[in-house]
Amino acid sequence: NAGVTQTPKFQVLKTGQSMTLQCAQDMNHNSMYWYRQDPGMGLRLIYYSASEGTTDKGEVPNGYNVSRLNKREFSLRLESAAPSQTSVYFCASSRTGENTIYFGEGSWLTVV
Amino acid sequence: EDQVTQSPEALRLQEGESSSLNCSYTVSGLRGLFWYRQDPGKGPEFLFTLYSAGEEKEKERLKATLTKKESFLHITAPKPEDSATYLCAVQAVGGSNYKLTFGKGTLLTVNP
Repeated sequence: NAGVTQTPKFQVLKTGQSMTLQCAQDMNHNSMYWYRQDPGMGLRLIYYSASEGTTDKGEVPNGYNVSRLNKREFSLRLESAAPSQTSVYFCASSRTGENTIYFGEGSWLTVV
Repeated sequence: EDQVTQSPEALRLQEGESSSLNCSYTVSGLRGLFWYRQDPGKGPEFLFTLYSAGEEKEKERLKATLTKKESFLHITAPKPEDSATYLCAVQAVGGSNYKLTFGKGTLLTVNP
């Protein structure tokens, strides 16, 4: 049982480049999330998708776009990467009606 | 604005030395309080959800308790494998069902 799978695990980008972080879950969850984790800041919600076909902004959405491709997959896109987007990104999912959120293993992104 | 403060920031214990981690929170109304464990280079792993003051939950050497203003994670006779960062998060009533506010975590080190 893979749970929440993220790719890539590590990526180095140059300022201005674009990239997409991929996420897939095999738990048949309706809701999916993207968080970022920075030293001394805790986890912060970037975007979430309550169900297939819907997406909403979280706490720190600027500079990001998301796509809920289907029930399993939720991608995060950086259109023009900036050094401030250097962070660890976590995808997560949960079942509708349940509060517990399950996280993936993380994607380490460095923007130089 | 919802706030979560965890203390101490770091805690070093000897194997078998019991202690507690604190999570203080302010929310307009608490829907749920969550504890996660995070190992280096990994995503947060769900431990407990607490919903109302007085509630307690246990898992192996861990016991989580909840009051109206704070939660404690008690660790009894810890072992080196309990070393990790422990994260606390709250979900507020009336807001988005999907928004968790995280604390910055407590880094626990258990020495053999």
